[in-house]
Amino acid sequence: DTAVSQTPKYLVTQMGNDKSIKCEQNLGHDTMYWYKQDSKKFLKIMFSYNNKELIINETVPNRFSPKSPDKAHLNLHINSLELGDSAVYFCASSPLAENTEAFFGQGTRLTVV
Amino acid sequence: GESVGLHLPTLSVQEGDNSIINCAYSNSASDYFIWYKQESGKGPQFIIDIRSNMDKRQGQRVTVLLNKTVKHLSLQIAATQPGDSAVYFCAENSGGAAGNKLTFGGGTRVLVKP
Repeated sequence: DTAVSQTPKYLVTQMGNDKSIKCEQNLGHDTMYWYKQDSKKFLKIMFSYNNKELIINETVPNRFSPKSPDKAHLNLHINSLELGDSAVYFCASSPLAENTEAFFGQGTRLTVV
Repeated sequence: GESVGLHLPTLSVQEGDNSIINCAYSNSASDYFIWYKQESGKGPQFIIDIRSNMDKRQGQRVTVLLNKTVKHLSLQIAATQPGDSAVYFCAENSGGAAGNKLTFGGGTRVLVKP
């Protein structure tokens, strides 16, 4: 009965490859996010979606393309992976209401070699 | 630019003592703040939140204090336990009507010594 689940948990791939990370939430939330955490633990928002509509895009390279087939899912596809893309990617969700907490998944550790 | 930051990157505390983690923010328009705890290999976990119309909020063993005058936020953990060892983040919600957008501080690692 995991609230926010992401797959895979670990992903090791070569430079230039294309990969996807999947996220699903069963909390009935309208808003979903992708965050990136670098090696220094700094967390930064990448995207947010409200009911499948893109709301926030924090100047992320267009190699990163989120896709939301329905409000319970937000997948992240990354083209032409680079070494600098290595990080932990967190999916999160929250109710649509303003000023509410976000619930985070367990993270996907992406390593580009 | 606007930012949320922490004063101490690492805090070592004796088991049973109280811990205080500090956070400074620069966006005076911020009206909602959250403290998250992140254990190794896990995602951030909500601890406690506070709205700008309050200056103190208490939870179970945790208290958040907000000083809007100096734009400072703190998290106090009473009787720190080994399970409290983690990285703690303060976050500011700056999304407004468009939705929630959490801006995180750099994190403070808390190490509990037995």
